[in-house]
Amino acid sequence: ETGVTQTPRHLVMGMTNKKSLKCEQHLGHNAMYWYKQSAKKPLELMFVYNFKEQTENNSVPSRFSPECPNSSHLFLHLHTLQPEDSALYLCASSPAEGADEKLFFGSGTQLSVL
Amino acid sequence: GEDVEQSLFLSVREGDSSVINCTYTDSSSTYLYWYKQEPGAGLQLLTYIFSNMDMKQDQRLTVLLNKKDKHLSLRIADTQTGDSAIYFCAEGMDSSYKLIFGSGTRLLVRP
Repeated sequence: ETGVTQTPRHLVMGMTNKKSLKCEQHLGHNAMYWYKQSAKKPLELMFVYNFKEQTENNSVPSRFSPECPNSSHLFLHLHTLQPEDSALYLCASSPAEGADEKLFFGSGTQLSVL
Repeated sequence: GEDVEQSLFLSVREGDSSVINCTYTDSSSTYLYWYKQEPGAGLQLLTYIFSNMDMKQDQRLTVLLNKKDKHLSLRIADTQTGDSAIYFCAEGMDSSYKLIFGSGTRLLVRP
């Protein structure tokens, strides 16, 4: 148990569906992150929230919409996705933003877009 | 640009040492990390090294950093079947939380 919980573990959705990924951390951290892990490609940072404020949007298409209602919860709302969006979506948290802050990762949501 | 490269696959026999290599391009990297990802799980931080260090040892793990060649390696002594996983190298920039990850090296430990 890493302290970062993601649900669901697996998700299959059509291109016209709307779904949400959820991440919750019980570590008392103030920064939360969404990463995308595609097969044979480097891990890509998508969004960063620090103290509930979005501090990074790494040129992510608008069909991905993050939400951070508090420091413990992070959502990724999905709509009109494309098949190339199929990937493992990893949530992470750290005590705060900073290069010396260690990231704690959840187990990820494996997303398949049909 | 920023780039972190790793070989895709490594196979070793149980009890042998494993060496996973990584090269990076940004000389301003302050921190270099090794993460481990077991099947069905998220990434777990194994160890990290500051850029002003050449070596760091932590039990069975030895990290070597060659700043001149921008080369990082992770040596696992007495490799066990439980070490089978994907290992990610990552670099952290000077004042940023943004980590640049490699594509990962899949380590297979044969009995």
